[in-house]
Amino acid sequence: GEKVEQHESTLSVREGDSAVINCTYTDTASSYFPWYKQEAGKSLHFVIDIRSNVDRKQSQRLIVLLDKKAKRFSLHITATQPEDSAIYFCAASTSSGSWQLIFGSGTQLTVMP
Amino acid sequence: AQTIHQWPVAEIKAVGSPLSLGCTIKGKSSPNLYWYWQATGGTLQQLFYSITVGQVESVVQLNLSASRPKDDQFILSTEKLLLSHSGFYLCAWSLGRIANSDYTFGSGTRLLVI
Repeated sequence: GEKVEQHESTLSVREGDSAVINCTYTDTASSYFPWYKQEAGKSLHFVIDIRSNVDRKQSQRLIVLLDKKAKRFSLHITATQPEDSAIYFCAASTSSGSWQLIFGSGTQLTVMP
Repeated sequence: AQTIHQWPVAEIKAVGSPLSLGCTIKGKSSPNLYWYWQATGGTLQQLFYSITVGQVESVVQLNLSASRPKDDQFILSTEKLLLSHSGFYLCAWSLGRIANSDYTFGSGTRLLVI
């Protein structure tokens, strides 16, 4: 079955710098790639997603890139702010088996003032 | 507006005791419902999903069971808790297949088994 690997377990950046979190997946049939943010002690909050018919999507300071050949997708947070500090999870789902969302292991992002 | 409510917010239970966690969706009919488990400091593991009343599919059981007694309700339970059941349980819902619709998580139930 699908496996999602999230490469950075922790990431520290200075306020105003960019942060990049990378994920890879194994199932070539995967077509939907959401990202979630989890603040300490809280639930997951959707931040952005990308579908396999595009290779780039931007929402304000968030950019998601998808490289289907490499089976890799990444979240770029530009102009980071202290409130961006949280755990970020990538995930993948296929069109055919899309009752399942497979998550990466999470990246603890710390934005230092 | 759609709301997803999980109960209880937190529980401390003894090993071997029963457990029942609930999830209710208001404002949408026939939602697809999901249960996830997150070990402390860990990733999310999908446990069950249900696309219709009375039908539940298991992804990973972890000695837990799930039921959908009503269209808007999803229950996670076990008769005998294990220490390994500790963690954060999240319910989620979507209207369609995950890749084609929004997928929203509830606020979660934190469980400590002692």
